[in-house]
Amino acid sequence: DAGITQSPRYKITETGRQVTLMCHQTWSHSYMFWYRQDLGHGLRLIYYSAAADITDKGEVPDGYVVSRSKTENFPLTLESATRSQTSVYFCASSDTAVYQPQHFGDGTRLSIL
Amino acid sequence: GQQVMQIPQYQHVQEGEDFTTYCNSSTTLSNIQWYKQRPGGHPVFLIQLVKSGEVKKQKRLTFQFGEAKKNSSLHITATQTTDVGTYFCAGNMDSNYQLIWGAGTKLIIKP
Repeated sequence: DAGITQSPRYKITETGRQVTLMCHQTWSHSYMFWYRQDLGHGLRLIYYSAAADITDKGEVPDGYVVSRSKTENFPLTLESATRSQTSVYFCASSDTAVYQPQHFGDGTRLSIL
Repeated sequence: GQQVMQIPQYQHVQEGEDFTTYCNSSTTLSNIQWYKQRPGGHPVFLIQLVKSGEVKKQKRLTFQFGEAKKNSSLHITATQTTDVGTYFCAGNMDSNYQLIWGAGTKLIIKP
């Protein structure tokens, strides 16, 4: 869907570097989510946000930082990248937390060497 | 912790055969959603079930939600090459904002 965009699509970086993944949605959805997808684990929630300036931890938050100063943007930062953070990262948004579908971006494939 | 188990992990079928994936939760779900992810793509919402015993159909796809709201299934009749991908279930536990995801079932069509 064009309504939620992630950048970059691909990123290669080195251990110890800081890297920020961007997510932008045009629907004015209240809720936004960051997931990582690894083989055999499905989708695991890293952080989510219920509104601007409201964020909360998901299942696997360690090593990640998020912010949400504007409703439409929800960047994810790896402060000091580790190889275990090599993954595909998906951003999603929904109108409410429950009973509404989540709409996903195209993902960022992140490789940490 | 709260889990949604999804089986099988992979299913190989000949084109035209049926396909079924199952999800089981350790606790009661308030709803269950199904998503499809094509190879190299992102998850795309298919359907949501909310009521106990609910059955919904989308063309060749049939979705069921168990009476106890702890299990669900997706059945595809007469698979086609366009059905290839990974199918995920995801549900909310009561009063919990986080969707709990199954690990997915990858549908592979044998040549």
